[in-house]
Amino acid sequence: AQTVTQSQPEMSVQEAETVTLSCTYDTSENNYYLFWYKQPPSRQMILVIRQEAYKQQNATENRFSVNFQKAAKSFSLKISDSQLGDTAMYFCAFMKHNNNDMRFGAGTRLTVKP
Amino acid sequence: IAGITQAPTSQILAAGRRMTLRCTQDMRHNAMYWYRQDLGLGLRLIHYSNTAGTTGKGEVPDGYSVSRANTDDFPLTLASAVPSQTSVYFCASKREGRYNEQFFGPGTRLTVL
Repeated sequence: AQTVTQSQPEMSVQEAETVTLSCTYDTSENNYYLFWYKQPPSRQMILVIRQEAYKQQNATENRFSVNFQKAAKSFSLKISDSQLGDTAMYFCAFMKHNNNDMRFGAGTRLTVKP
Repeated sequence: IAGITQAPTSQILAAGRRMTLRCTQDMRHNAMYWYRQDLGLGLRLIHYSNTAGTTGKGEVPDGYSVSRANTDDFPLTLASAVPSQTSVYFCASKREGRYNEQFFGPGTRLTVL
């Protein structure tokens, strides 16, 4: 079974600074997808960024980027120029290709301080 | 309706009672999912449906049942609620195509006493 580990239960960062959230996963699959979801206090789950395992290029969405290391099974999220609105729980998730079972990590609570 | 709606927003329920959580999407997605979110455990898949008329078990299906009579609706039923089913429940649907992105509803907070 696939497992997803987020080793940082809580993190904080100063506004405008950069922060990196860690995620590792365990799988024997070669073709899969990785995601970072954001859950603000409103409870809504919002997709931040996605990565396809067959792509070597790291995904980027505005201030959010990932460092995908397939051999190391690592998928970290970097948030640049942190904003107060980035305060939220962040979940890393893994899903095999053509499969319905998305596995989530336990989450990292990020606080952006003014 | 835009996206996924869930009802109720929150509910307090006596143990042993039957409860159905409702989920409706208007995006015509074929695949739908039910997750529960518990502190320190992230989200765990309860049941899923690839298309109307089919359902499957996820990681934690015991004590729950689902049905998928049409594309839009995917209700989750607790036949006889127990306190360990106290959780936040999320319904999701998946966009077809290469990215397999899941869209989530706003969640239902359920407390079983």
